[in-house]
Amino acid sequence: DAKTTQPNSMESNEEEPVHLPCNHSTISGTDYIHWYRQLPSQGPEYVIHGLTSNVNNRMASLAIAEDRKSSTLILHRATLRDAAVYYCILSNSGYALNFGKGTSLLVTP
Amino acid sequence: SAVISQKPSRDICQRGTSLTIQCQVDSQVTMMFWYRQQPGQSLTLIATANQGSEATYESGFVIDKFPISRPNLTFSTLTVSNMSPEDSSIYLCSVGGVLGQGADTQYFGPGTRLTVL
Repeated sequence: DAKTTQPNSMESNEEEPVHLPCNHSTISGTDYIHWYRQLPSQGPEYVIHGLTSNVNNRMASLAIAEDRKSSTLILHRATLRDAAVYYCILSNSGYALNFGKGTSLLVTP
Repeated sequence: SAVISQKPSRDICQRGTSLTIQCQVDSQVTMMFWYRQQPGQSLTLIATANQGSEATYESGFVIDKFPISRPNLTFSTLTVSNMSPEDSSIYLCSVGGVLGQGADTQYFGPGTRLTVL
């Protein structure tokens, strides 16, 4: 499985934008870039995914580098509820997810 | 989306005993998976539950220790057998391929918190 590299932790102020980076230099042509997050004491939840083009949804935006070797999850206005561990995962459609350590996001008031 | 329930939500068990965890989905799904999350760690895939056939186990996990059933498209069980304190973890069910949706998104249950004494 292609691996991803994320910072262990990041901190943001409430109502500020947050840019969570992910490096995946060994990504294959068929790998989708998925982002999930896990709030304290809950199962992971889907955030967003993409293949080549940037993606937006109600939760976040995903910016994918032109060479696909890195991507950035963008939370436009962080809230206290966004404090979670964010996982960047490469996966083909229909396959199980291979979770790394993720980035622990701390949001301060 | 899909709503997933797991039973029990938590349990405390004695070593040497077994516990069966149930996973129920409110929609038919093509894929069901079982993960383990040890304290302070990330999620590790245990196996893919296959409907009507034996589960597919990841390296380090065996059927005798973690037997899995999947009798239909909405239900699966995971049994943790002959438990030891090292099995204390959160066990999570996830599903993908919700009928009528693509296979790209997976949904996770709330988890079962197991403590083995």
